[in-house]
Amino acid sequence: QQQVKQSPQSLIVQKGGISIINCAYENTAFDYFPWYQQFPGKGPALLIAIRPDVSEKKEGRFTISFNKSAKQFSLHIMDSQPGDSATYFCAASKVQGAQKLVFGQGTRLTINP
Amino acid sequence: DAGVIQSPRHEVTEMGQEVTLRCKPISGHNSLFWYRQTMMRGLELLIYFNNNVPIDDSGMPEDRFSAKMPNASFSTLKIQPSEPRDSAVYFCASRSGTSGSGQFFGPGTRLTVL
Repeated sequence: QQQVKQSPQSLIVQKGGISIINCAYENTAFDYFPWYQQFPGKGPALLIAIRPDVSEKKEGRFTISFNKSAKQFSLHIMDSQPGDSATYFCAASKVQGAQKLVFGQGTRLTINP
Repeated sequence: DAGVIQSPRHEVTEMGQEVTLRCKPISGHNSLFWYRQTMMRGLELLIYFNNNVPIDDSGMPEDRFSAKMPNASFSTLKIQPSEPRDSAVYFCASRSGTSGSGQFFGPGTRLTVL
């Protein structure tokens, strides 16, 4: 019940296209859903996060869509750029307390110029 | 702000040796997390501390692993004795106590056990 399932494992998108990464969770007690971006040789960096009281959150070219009934959330990257090429991780936790994150397996995104 | 600082960045050791990884969290953050990242298992939470107190160490794989946080600005993860299967990238992360605030990761320590 603690799993977060992420798909696809890898994704190739042309420059200017839309990148979409999907995640599904099982634990209905989760109420905090962040996305992390990781470049080779670096630690994961918090990109954007959402709470279940909203269905969508947008920050620049990055948007999280959240479907509480389906227990799914997704990351959309609009106008994808070569600099967006990285590995993306979704995660989930309870917002209260120390935030014990459960991570998805990651998606390696490649943006072709 | 210097961010989360980890040392060493790379460690190569032989099986059976003791390994100590170090972490300095962001000043003012009161939660600290140790993660391990491998291709096979992804990012796994090993242990986390709140106000220097270990709260949950259920992710620590074996008794060979131990972690301490003697004060708010320093934590160690020790592996004794190390084994080849411990080879991974180990990350430290910290966060403030503000509800909904995110975790900030360090650059990681790449451990290779021969």
